[in-house]
Amino acid sequence: DTEVTQTPKHLVMGMTNKKSLKCEQHMGHRAMYWYKQKAKKPPELMFVYSYEKLSINESVPSRFSPECPNSSLLNLHLHALQPEDSALYLCASSQERERGELFFGEGSRLTVL
Amino acid sequence: AQKITQTQPGMFVQEKEAVTLDCTYDTSDPSYGLFWYKQPSSGEMIFLIYQGSYDQQNATEGRYSLNFQKARKSANLVISASQLGDSAMYFCAMREGTSAYSGAGSYQLTFGKGTKLSVIP
Repeated sequence: DTEVTQTPKHLVMGMTNKKSLKCEQHMGHRAMYWYKQKAKKPPELMFVYSYEKLSINESVPSRFSPECPNSSLLNLHLHALQPEDSALYLCASSQERERGELFFGEGSRLTVL
Repeated sequence: AQKITQTQPGMFVQEKEAVTLDCTYDTSDPSYGLFWYKQPSSGEMIFLIYQGSYDQQNATEGRYSLNFQKARKSANLVISASQLGDSAMYFCAMREGTSAYSGAGSYQLTFGKGTKLSVIP
């Protein structure tokens, strides 16, 4: 079982809706990430939070708004999305060690109609 | 130029046979790390194995081993005794030393395009 939990697993929304994706980890990791993955493509980095502060924003459109309420939680607020935003959204976390491997959740599959 | 190259879009292997998934990388940073992840159809990215640039020995984790050839800049994944549950996408990824460090143990990984492995009964 993954130690990074993402909800919801599936989400269908219209272009005028507002929704949120949630991610939770209890491994004590202080870095958390959002990735976007289109079908048959590798994951693309969107945002990185370090110690609950946004450290990287990979030029993501403002219709995606990340939030890190505490060290265990990461949200991605969605508003006025486009059909091309339909994708698998993966959350990950990592700790400060030599390997620095990322631990991923199962993802939230988003469909924008 | 691509930093991580996986030249095999798809691979087939007979159950119980071994298979090698290719990965080459490009970096000028002397300190880097190489990772392999497995992604089943469920979507989760599962960490399999890690090789650091200064590691003298090839990494092994159960049925997974990494054939690390530093001079050739290759980091191939070897799966021994393939099982039906090994059918998935496999991604090679690289972390480049301090340039990828973004604070608090956060790193930027560069992923290859992936190889889809299908295990045949």
